[in-house]
Amino acid sequence: AAGVIQSPRHLIKEKRETATLKCYPIPRHDTVYWYQQGPGQDPQFLISFYEKMQSDKGSIPDRFSAQQFSDYHSELNMSSLELGDSALYFCASSFPTSGYNEQFFGPGTRLTVL
Amino acid sequence: QQQVKQSPQSLIVQKGGISIINCAYENTAFDYFPWYQQFPGKGPALLIAIRPDVSEKKEGRFTISFNKSAKQFSLHIMDSQPGDSATYFCAASAGNTPLVFGKGTRLSVIA
Repeated sequence: AAGVIQSPRHLIKEKRETATLKCYPIPRHDTVYWYQQGPGQDPQFLISFYEKMQSDKGSIPDRFSAQQFSDYHSELNMSSLELGDSALYFCASSFPTSGYNEQFFGPGTRLTVL
Repeated sequence: QQQVKQSPQSLIVQKGGISIINCAYENTAFDYFPWYQQFPGKGPALLIAIRPDVSEKKEGRFTISFNKSAKQFSLHIMDSQPGDSATYFCAASAGNTPLVFGKGTRLSVIA
């Protein structure tokens, strides 16, 4: 079965640089969630989109922005990167109109800020 | 304030034994309680989930027990195997809101 695709899988950036993470949800899934997971931590919700509109916002820094496109893929844009942004970034997708909030996670993007 | 409290933080179980991980929540609006399994460097994988209208759900060796009045739910892994060694996260959500995760339990199954 098709899964959530994330790219790139690994990314190394310098402080103050920008980064763009991409997420391709499972086909027919119309909702995308972004989570950040630090080492040894639980995933923390950043932002979500339903039908290309922002639906919820969590602890996302103002330096980050995201959007969902007409084909339902989503991009997380991160600017003025800081050392503390180093983490695993996961995208999850769901099909909420099924009545269940089953979220399926992608393999993640490991961001390292030097 | 952690909305979902998970325990224990780490767990060592003998092969063939039962692994039990517990979670408690406060928000009575939560209506969906999944468990995720995560291996190092990988994404969380949905293992099993329950809605509050049932008290137990079993899928293979994995069982969720749910106590609505106590606002607690637990994961039982029967006949634990070394391949089950991973970090397990409980989570909760209300409607289609984002998941709120517990802090995770690192399970080690030893032969």
